Amino acid sequence: DAGVIQSPRHEVTEMGQEVTLRCKPISGHDYLFWYRQTMMRGLELLIYFNNNVPIDDSGMPEDRFSAKMPNASFSTLKIQPSEPRDSAVYFCASSVGQGGTYNSPLHFGNGTRLTVT
Amino acid sequence: GNSVTQMEGPVTLSEEAFLTINCTYTATGYPSLFWYVQYPGEGLQLLLKATKADDKGSNKGFEATYRKETTSFHLEKGSVQVSDSAVYFCALSDFYNQGGKLIFGQGTELSVKP
Repeated sequence: DAGVIQSPRHEVTEMGQEVTLRCKPISGHDYLFWYRQTMMRGLELLIYFNNNVPIDDSGMPEDRFSAKMPNASFSTLKIQPSEPRDSAVYFCASSVGQGGTYNSPLHFGNGTRLTVT
Repeated sequence: GNSVTQMEGPVTLSEEAFLTINCTYTATGYPSLFWYVQYPGEGLQLLLKATKADDKGSNKGFEATYRKETTSFHLEKGSVQVSDSAVYFCALSDFYNQGGKLIFGQGTELSVKP
């Protein structure tokens, strides 16, 4: 099992540019989550999908952020245009079920560290 | 709404010291409780879990007991090692009230010195 795979590991971009983060969940997992981690705000849930359908995007900070899941093995998080305050580590996680039940924990990728200058 | 509060870090200990990281929660239902650990440069991974009052979760020498009367789930380890240096997150899920969505605390950084 390769685990949750995220790319790129690091992304440095200039303000105003479009940024696309990618995630491949664990095969067979039906839930996919995008989190953002910063020193100031900790770990924030941005959006999650069930069977490729967005269920709750209430954590997406603003319209500059969008996420898609075109199939069960791939998801993207896009920021357009990017701003310096978007600098953070973005994590993708997947699970069987919502990850909050006793026997189905969340499996996290190693994250993408985004720096917007 | 449901929430999780952890003691602030960073916590710095010498090797073989006793560790306690406090975690308290607020929940309207009967949540399951979790500790996740994040090693440097990695994502979070499940450390231990408990599903009902008085359950004790344990793994890798770490323990936490689900205390409903004090709404707490404190993480303990009798003798820490340098390799335990990481950020520890307490979390809860309340399946019947929030569909099982995980709610994380803010994380507590642990640094163990040789």
